[in-house]
Amino acid sequence: GAVVSQHPSRVICKSGTSVKIECRSLDFQATTMFWYRQFPKQSLMLMATSNEGSKATYEQGVEKDKFLINHASLTLSTLTVTSAHPEDSSFYICSGRALGDTQYFGPGTRLTVL
Amino acid sequence: GENVEQHPSTLSVQEGDSAVIKCTYSDSASNYFPWYKQELGKRPQLIIDIRSNVGEKKDQRIAVTLNKTAKHFSLHITETQPEDSAVYFCAAPRGGLVDSWGKLQFGAGTQVVVTP
Repeated sequence: GAVVSQHPSRVICKSGTSVKIECRSLDFQATTMFWYRQFPKQSLMLMATSNEGSKATYEQGVEKDKFLINHASLTLSTLTVTSAHPEDSSFYICSGRALGDTQYFGPGTRLTVL
Repeated sequence: GENVEQHPSTLSVQEGDSAVIKCTYSDSASNYFPWYKQELGKRPQLIIDIRSNVGEKKDQRIAVTLNKTAKHFSLHITETQPEDSAVYFCAAPRGGLVDSWGKLQFGAGTQVVVTP
């Protein structure tokens, strides 16, 4: 149980375009979903936290107008990287949390901006 | 906020030996400590967690110990196998207590290499 899916797994886009990443909890209702960014050989850096039906809260230094998060239901959250630039290239991972403390991670999305 | 430090950054062990990774945290109110294993290019997977009301928890070859006084917790892997090779991350609640958000602060990670 506690499976989180993420789509797409890889995306390559041109600089200036927008990319949408979907995160779904498949067999549980995620009261909270988190979005992380992970650069090579580094740890998980929390970008934002979202609860279903409310605005996301962003970590210091993360531009909310650039990384748009929508948490439309208890099983779906989306992250849109707007006007992507090469420095946005990274591994983006979502996680879902049910009523307990455990976070269950999606498989990640490898974003490459050319 | 919580500060989590993890050591060592890399750990090489011979197959069959034990591996120990240690994390320290700063907020004495922290009450939940998970460990995640991440293989290259894959998702982090929870392997074990411990709450502040117990000092040790075991699951087959994996164990976690918690010393609340010293504010550190450790991951122990016994009888290591090549498939244990991965990056391991410890974590603690960002705000100390696990709040309604459940945010976690992750350690920097430990690259474990098990050589046959």
